[in-house]
Amino acid sequence: NAGVTQTPKFRVLKTGQSMTLLCAQDMNHEYMYWYRQDPGMGLRLIHYSVGEGTTAKGEVPDGYNVSRLKKQNFLLGLESAAPSQTSVYFCASSYGSWAGAIADTQYFGPGTRLTVL
Amino acid sequence: GENVEQHPSTLSVQEGDSAVIKCTYSDSASNYFPWYKQELGKRPQLIIDIRSNVGEKKDQRIAVTLNKTAKHFSLHITETQPEDSAVYFCAARPESNFGNEKLTFGTGTRLTIIP
Repeated sequence: NAGVTQTPKFRVLKTGQSMTLLCAQDMNHEYMYWYRQDPGMGLRLIHYSVGEGTTAKGEVPDGYNVSRLKKQNFLLGLESAAPSQTSVYFCASSYGSWAGAIADTQYFGPGTRLTVL
Repeated sequence: GENVEQHPSTLSVQEGDSAVIKCTYSDSASNYFPWYKQELGKRPQLIIDIRSNVGEKKDQRIAVTLNKTAKHFSLHITETQPEDSAVYFCAARPESNFGNEKLTFGTGTRLTIIP
């Protein structure tokens, strides 16, 4: 199993450009999450999904959109990138409440380092 | 919403000594508290977790304690080794409510083990 994968690994954008980050998991997880990690700020939740076709806002959703058309994929979009969106983006997934105690562990992808100039 | 504070932000200890990282949380409904370790340039990985019905949990050299009354929990690493050098994140989550499994993370502690 590949676990949680993210593409691309690195990206440089100019202000105003758009892009989509792809997260894929092969563990049949119900829940998927997008976080951003900035120095001294920890991991902050952008958006999450509790199942195919569902999405919900996290702590810092402004400037981002997401879609979960397939259970195994969770896409994060930036419509008009801003320098404040320069960050490392992590995707994570977990089984979800229906699986009981094992639902809690979140498995993270390798991250995408995004720079907006 | 939940607010998690983590201290210290940096910690240096001699190899073989113990390290303690502390977190406090604000939501009394939180009942799940994981700790993640992130090595330089790598992804965060779960190292231990505790639920509110347990006061302490150990796994070899690491242990976590929870004080629900005071709303704080701590990570203890004994007999530290160079490979323990990393950033450690605590997190908290309210009681599972089918769709509410959002973790709130602390801001991280950079642990450096001095050989």
